[in-house]
Amino acid sequence: KQEVTQIPAALSVPEGENLVLNCSFTDSAIYNLQWFRQDPGKGLTSLLLIQSSQREQTSGRLNASLDKSSGRSTLYIAASQPGDSATYLCAAVNTGTASKLTFGTGTRLQVTL
Amino acid sequence: NAGVTQTPKFRILKIGQSMTLQCAQDMNHNYMYWYRQDPGMGLKLIYYSVGAGITDKGEVPNGYNVSRSTTEDFPLRLELAAPSQTSVYFCASSYSPGLAGDTDTQYFGPGTRLTVL
Repeated sequence: KQEVTQIPAALSVPEGENLVLNCSFTDSAIYNLQWFRQDPGKGLTSLLLIQSSQREQTSGRLNASLDKSSGRSTLYIAASQPGDSATYLCAAVNTGTASKLTFGTGTRLQVTL
Repeated sequence: NAGVTQTPKFRILKIGQSMTLQCAQDMNHNYMYWYRQDPGMGLKLIYYSVGAGITDKGEVPNGYNVSRSTTEDFPLRLELAAPSQTSVYFCASSYSPGLAGDTDTQYFGPGTRLTVL
């Protein structure tokens, strides 16, 4: 059974700092890995999706990497802004599972002025 | 496009009552999902559907039922509500997996916050 872990559970950084969020998974037979953002009281917004054949994906100031052999993915946020404050969730889709997502518990990020 | 819509936004139920959470999508996605999110936790899959007339259980299906009579709608039914079902419920949809690019991305609704007292 796939298990997804995110460390740390919470992170506070000053504005402008570059930061890395970590995601680890136990089953390397993944089809893809997705990163989401969740604002308080809101739904999830998709940030990046990395297919199993890819090593990384980039969107603006965000870069996500995937290393299946070590069971790890990272989300890199460059030049953080207060508007980046949110909870970031990673989720893995295993091969042959009808795209069912297995979520981590998230990292709550606060970017301070 | 409205994307994925959910109603109601909030609901308080008494123990033993029943209700239906509505979910609709206008993106012609054939895959739809129901998740629940407990405080401080990730989302757990309740049920999913790969097309009209086809549904299957996820990780935590007990106490819930679903149906999928159309591509657009995927309601979640709670029978005999219990305090353990207090949670935030999210509906999501996506295209069939296996296509290139980001078509596997799941799109989420805004959620329904349910309290059972």
